[in-house]
Amino acid sequence: AQTVTQSQPEMSVQEAETVTLSCTYDTSESDYYLFWYKQPPSRQMILVIRQEAYKQQNATENRFSVNFQKAAKSFSLKISDSQLGDAAMYFCAFFGGAQKLVFGQGTRLTINP
Amino acid sequence: NAGVMQNPRHLVRRRGQEARLRCSPMKGHSHVYWYRQLPEEGLKFMVYLQKENIIDESGMPKERFSAEFPKEGPSILRIQQVVRGDSAAYFCASSPEVQNSPLHFGNGTRLTVT
Repeated sequence: AQTVTQSQPEMSVQEAETVTLSCTYDTSESDYYLFWYKQPPSRQMILVIRQEAYKQQNATENRFSVNFQKAAKSFSLKISDSQLGDAAMYFCAFFGGAQKLVFGQGTRLTINP
Repeated sequence: NAGVMQNPRHLVRRRGQEARLRCSPMKGHSHVYWYRQLPEEGLKFMVYLQKENIIDESGMPKERFSAEFPKEGPSILRIQQVVRGDSAAYFCASSPEVQNSPLHFGNGTRLTVT
């Protein structure tokens, strides 16, 4: 079974600085999708960014980008120019042949003004 | 296009009662997933349904829990004889097709068992 590991339970960053959240996963599949979701205190699950495993180019969405290292099974999220509204729990997730999302344990991100 | 609608937002049940959680997927979505989130933890897969079919229920507890997604109406997650350990946030997600579309999540139902 696939597993997703987020080794940083908590991270903090100064407003306007850059922070990187780590995620590793374990799979024997070659074709899959990876996601980062944001969960603010409202509890809503918000899709931040998505990466297809067959694409070598790293996905980017405005201030959010990923570093996808397929061989290392690593999928980190970089947030540039951090804003107060970025404070939330961030979940890395894997979607493969089992046709379901498998989530990591989450990283709580705090933004210091 | 309305998002995934879950109700109620909050549900309080006493031990031994039944809990029914409802999920209306986005319009045009025929795939529904249920996840459970315990405090300070990630979301754990429970069940994957298509219209009138359970595709994968490998994450569902063997007893007291059941789910359905009828041809008409919302998907229902039913928990019979609730216990305190059932207290959690339950999320529903939907997608139009599995391979190329990300899941869209509802805002969850927080179940509290007293």
